[in-house]
Amino acid sequence: SQKIEQNSEALNIQEGKTATLTCNYTNYSPAYLQWYRQDPGRGPVFLLLIRENEKEKRKERLKVTFDTTLKQSLFHITASQPADSATYLCALAPNSGGYQKVTFGIGTKLQVIP
Amino acid sequence: GAVVSQHPSWVICKSGTSVKIECRSLDFQATTMFWYRQFPKQSLMLMATSNEGSKATYEQGVEKDKFLINHASLTLSTLTVTSAHPEDSSFYICSARSLAGGQGNEQFFGPGTRLTVL
Repeated sequence: SQKIEQNSEALNIQEGKTATLTCNYTNYSPAYLQWYRQDPGRGPVFLLLIRENEKEKRKERLKVTFDTTLKQSLFHITASQPADSATYLCALAPNSGGYQKVTFGIGTKLQVIP
Repeated sequence: GAVVSQHPSWVICKSGTSVKIECRSLDFQATTMFWYRQFPKQSLMLMATSNEGSKATYEQGVEKDKFLINHASLTLSTLTVTSAHPEDSSFYICSARSLAGGQGNEQFFGPGTRLTVL
């Protein structure tokens, strides 16, 4: 069965360091992969999308890589700040035409320590 | 831009009653709206997909007669939890996909509705 794995344990890093979050998937051939941020008691907020034919995408302090051979995406936040503390969700859309259903991972909780 | 609102943000009801949750796209027209449910420390689980003017498509295991979805316009979808029971207590989140497209399948999420059934 299709599976998306994110480290469900919290990731604690020092302010100013680079946070790296991992998303692995199995039995899946995604057309693209998305990263969302979710704060407690709130809906997810879209951050970045990367397509299967793209290796890397950047947006300000954020960088996403996508390795379809390893079936893995890495999400980096450089110069992390306490305000970056949140849960980050990985989401995949299938490599099929028409309506695209997105499947979410459980998310990784990031805590940036001042 | 691309703001989605939900109402109410939280609701407490007695077992056996019905609860309606509204999802609105405020500044864009949404071809498709999605309803998710999220239990504590779990991922978002898609319940159903609704397209304006047509019947919703429910995911496997989601009872369509219990979770009634109406997508009356390009900016409004409603989810009604009928005869709610304590096990229906959860965080319900809607999302909308813009008519204009955007970054592939980018979805804009509402802030969520916390339902507690006593």
